[in-house]
Amino acid sequence: GENVEQHPSTLSVQEGDSAVIKCTYSDSASNYFPWYKQELGKRPQLIIDIRSNVGEKKDQRIAVTLNKTAKHFSLHITETQPEDSAVYFCAASIKINKFYFGSGTKLNVKP
Amino acid sequence: ETGVTQTPRHLVMGMTNKKSLKCEQHLGHNAMYWYKQSAKKPLELMFVYSLEERVENNSVPSRFSPECPNSSHLFLHLHTLQPEDSALYLCASSQSLLGNNEQFFGPGTRLTVL
Repeated sequence: GENVEQHPSTLSVQEGDSAVIKCTYSDSASNYFPWYKQELGKRPQLIIDIRSNVGEKKDQRIAVTLNKTAKHFSLHITETQPEDSAVYFCAASIKINKFYFGSGTKLNVKP
Repeated sequence: ETGVTQTPRHLVMGMTNKKSLKCEQHLGHNAMYWYKQSAKKPLELMFVYSLEERVENNSVPSRFSPECPNSSHLFLHLHTLQPEDSALYLCASSQSLLGNNEQFFGPGTRLTVL
């Protein structure tokens, strides 16, 4: 099956700085890559996703890039704010809606 | 709450108890999922249902038994659990199992096995 690895496991940045979280996947047939944000004590929520026919997608301060050749994708958050502090999970899926999740990155934005 | 709801939110049980977790989605979705979330581990997919049919069972021990009586409800029946089964159990739903679409998560049930 698919194997998704996520780095770093923890990330601490100063407010206003950028944060980058990276994931790799093993199955070249994976074609959908969502990112979920989970605030402390709350449910995971989708923040952005990208499909394999697109190399980059942006939504305000959040962007995701995909390199199919290298089988990795990254989440970029610019101008970080304290409310961005959460655990972020990447995932990959192949054709059907079965997600393989990474182990999560705990982002701490210091005011 | 709207969307996906789960009850109970917290559960403490002994290893000999039998209990059930309940999930309900109000989104008109056709696919539902059970995940286990343990500390410092990836979200682990346990079961997948599509149109009330189980389509995935990820080598989950038989002490976990899912039930999907209709497309809006999903249960996870628990019996003779082990302390290592203590975790947050998340339910999710999506519009369909085919293609790729957003999974909407419930708030989870925090399970502690003594």
